[in-house]
Amino acid sequence: AQKVTQAQTEISVVEKEDVTLDCVYETRDTTYYLFWYKQPPSGELVFLIRRNSFDEQNEISGRYSWNFQKSTSSFNFTITASQVVDSAVYFCALRRGANNLFFGTGTRLTVIP
Amino acid sequence: EAQVTQNPRYLITVTGKKLTVTCSQNMNHEYMSWYRQDPGLGLRQIYYSMNVEVTDKGDVPEGYKVSRKEKRNFPLILESPSPNQTSLYFCASSLSRGAAKEQFFGPGTRLTVL
Repeated sequence: AQKVTQAQTEISVVEKEDVTLDCVYETRDTTYYLFWYKQPPSGELVFLIRRNSFDEQNEISGRYSWNFQKSTSSFNFTITASQVVDSAVYFCALRRGANNLFFGTGTRLTVIP
Repeated sequence: EAQVTQNPRYLITVTGKKLTVTCSQNMNHEYMSWYRQDPGLGLRQIYYSMNVEVTDKGDVPEGYKVSRKEKRNFPLILESPSPNQTSLYFCASSLSRGAAKEQFFGPGTRLTVL
């Protein structure tokens, strides 16, 4: 069975602090894809990254970085030098089946100025 | 502009009054899907469609219907809405079922059933 766990329901940090959002997944598939989406207060869902199970290289995009570790079934997301605009709900998701996404319950990040 | 549109964005209705939420994409995507978002539960899939005239149930299909008569449109139908269907609904589309492309989401429809 597929499962995505985001144990951190809410996180608050002070601006410029680094913050890591955890994502742990379960799947029996050998080939799978993981995603992160951002949902700002305006409500839309913004795609951040896709990672396939064969690529364990960490990825960095500006202040964002992702750490994928198959050994621990984790796909964690770090924001460096957080900003108020990073305040949002962040969802980790696992692709299952043809193209269906199974979402975690989300982590609400609040960056305090 | 490539986008997924949903209408209406906000809807308040009463129990039992049939309603349709429309979803349209202009990217020629094969795959489309509906999700509902509830506090503490994340997004859960309602129905999805691999292509025209091909639809299938997701995790929470009860109380919903869909149709896919055209590639660009994927309406969500609530024949007899109930208060437990009060939620935020998202439509999504992606290019191909096998390519694990990212899904593009519509802006969401906030539905309240009284």
